[in-house]
Amino acid sequence: GAVVSQHPSRVICKSGTSVKIECRSLDFQATTMFWYRQFPKKSLMLMATSNEGSKATYEQGVEKDKFLINHASLTLSTLTVTSAHPEDSSFYICSASDSGGLGTDTQYFGPGTRLTVL
Amino acid sequence: EDKVVQSPLSLVVHEGDTVTLNCSYEVTNFRSLLWYKQEKKAPTFLFMLTSSGIEKKSGRLSSILDKKELFSILNITATQTGDSAVYLCAVAGYGQNFVFGPGTRLSVLP
Repeated sequence: GAVVSQHPSRVICKSGTSVKIECRSLDFQATTMFWYRQFPKKSLMLMATSNEGSKATYEQGVEKDKFLINHASLTLSTLTVTSAHPEDSSFYICSASDSGGLGTDTQYFGPGTRLTVL
Repeated sequence: EDKVVQSPLSLVVHEGDTVTLNCSYEVTNFRSLLWYKQEKKAPTFLFMLTSSGIEKKSGRLSSILDKKELFSILNITATQTGDSAVYLCAVAGYGQNFVFGPGTRLSVLP
């Protein structure tokens, strides 16, 4: 089946530093990748949608200069949290879709990355 | 290897029908099972289950967990067209992150 991985699975950093999270589709080409943030009551907020080779589309209220997204290839998207602050501490989840190539537009979710900013 | 299996993968029903969606899992150090409804954008949180045998209910939706048999069901009664969505099951283990299932695509016809 379609597998999506994220790296690292958890990261602790100091306030003011930048953190990069990778999302990889392991056995399919992901034309579209999505980045979510999970809030304490388990809801998932879509941060941005990225298509390979083009700029990400950010949701309203998400700072594109703070959350840099790069979708450089059909199997890799990265989210960089720049100048992280404690309020950025959260669980970040990516999902990937082949936009129909596998027969559906199903999103396959990664395991998430837990970010803690001290 | 941790995994989550959902069945059926897709389902087509008519308004008023009752549906049962299944989620079975294998995960190390189980902590919780979550159900989400995904329509267009971000999945919407429905339920979090941690204890066996306790039904959680919200309107026409209900869910229950069986930690012995390692599965959960999501029931939707008197379905409406607005229930059409992908329903995701995810499992979290202590010290681990999530394992999402592939989802069940539900289509409710008028």
